[in-house]
Amino acid sequence: GQQLNQSPQSMFIQEGEDVSMNCTSSSIFNTWLWYKQDPGEGPVLLIALYKAGELTSNGRLTAQFGITRKDSFLNISASIPSDVGIYFCAGQLRIFGNEKLTFGTGTRLTIIP
Amino acid sequence: DTAVSQTPKYLVTQMGNDKSIKCEQNLGHDTMYWYKQDSKKFLKIMFSYNNKELIINETVPNRFSPKSPDKAHLNLHINSLELGDSAVYFCASSQDRAAGGNEQYFGPGTRLTVT
Repeated sequence: GQQLNQSPQSMFIQEGEDVSMNCTSSSIFNTWLWYKQDPGEGPVLLIALYKAGELTSNGRLTAQFGITRKDSFLNISASIPSDVGIYFCAGQLRIFGNEKLTFGTGTRLTIIP
Repeated sequence: DTAVSQTPKYLVTQMGNDKSIKCEQNLGHDTMYWYKQDSKKFLKIMFSYNNKELIINETVPNRFSPKSPDKAHLNLHINSLELGDSAVYFCASSQDRAAGGNEQYFGPGTRLTVT
């Protein structure tokens, strides 16, 4: 099945730094979602994007729906320890009766003390 | 209140056994899903039900059989378990919308270990 390419695979940063990650696809989507997964937990929805070019914020998080509809970006400003985890992008091509999400490969964020 | 719940959280069993995982959502959503997350953390859709009707069935061995007794519940039964079935299984739900996308909300996962 299709996988979305997410980069970087992992990031090691210091507290207070800004973080950027992106996700690219070979096919278009009409919805992009960003999730965060903590160890032993399920993915938690962070931001949802529905229109090409859309820029949406959720606190220190900002995500953008790429204009080509084949990519999306997530930025985290002024990182804090609780930002540690795995971030997943997910794309969806909404066709009636088929709502499956295709997930990215994940970006593992680690904060160096 | 837990939105999407799964039981059990951990399941350790031997090859060849049959086991079930249960999922319940109290969000009033129309659609429920099962995903499998492998050891590399890759998440892949297995099944989707909308109002008790199967709408997505990815290439999954027929040893896996989902059952939806009502739109708030989606169970996963696995026959003749194999070593390769070891993974974390996530249930998710979403509300079907006429416009826009649908945001899926995930349960805490069931870690299945087959020995």
